[in-house]
Amino acid sequence: QQQVKQSPQSLIVQKGGISIINCAYENTAFDYFPWYQQFPGKGPALLIAIRPDVSEKKEGRFTISFNKSAKQFSLHIMDSQPGDSATYFCAASDSGGSNYKLTFGKGTLLTVNP
Amino acid sequence: KAGVTQTPRYLIKTRGQQVTLSCSPISGHRSVSWYQQTPGQGLQFLFEYFSETQRNKGNFPGRFSGRQFSNSRSEMNVSTLELGDSALYLCASSPITAGNTEAFFGQGTRLTVV
Repeated sequence: QQQVKQSPQSLIVQKGGISIINCAYENTAFDYFPWYQQFPGKGPALLIAIRPDVSEKKEGRFTISFNKSAKQFSLHIMDSQPGDSATYFCAASDSGGSNYKLTFGKGTLLTVNP
Repeated sequence: KAGVTQTPRYLIKTRGQQVTLSCSPISGHRSVSWYQQTPGQGLQFLFEYFSETQRNKGNFPGRFSGRQFSNSRSEMNVSTLELGDSALYLCASSPITAGNTEAFFGQGTRLTVV
């Protein structure tokens, strides 16, 4: 059972455009939603994260939008740059219990053309 | 502050052998989690250790095991290797303090089983 569904699988945008990646979750106990960026040959790097008590969080060009009722959250990358080309993973966890683990989406390969 | 360190970076093993991977978490982080990353299955949770105790385990066979030492360093072991065990094995460390469940990943160990 895939608890976090991510779309699209791949995305191509032009430099300066907006990249949007969407995720949906099933487990209502999830209360922590991070996004990770992974370059080839590297481990995932934490990009930005949100908790359900806010509907939006912005850090620089990266914004998370969160819709608790729809159980969906998305990553927006404004003014996309070629250096943003990477694989992006959404994830979710239930941080309230002692069983700490991240459930990941399948990833989105983003290509930003110059 | 040094990041998460995983050794070795690359490993080639023969089917049927066993392997041990090592992870040194960020100083002060007491939780260490392990994930398997493959192109087909994405990032999958293996297990999590906190204060030398395994708190949570993913859906992997008993050939996959781990441990954590008193200095929070962790090892994972895979016995009787199969071709399908070829993957990038990632370690993540977390502070797991109140309200802070961020997970920081190492660069991973690329295991190839031949």
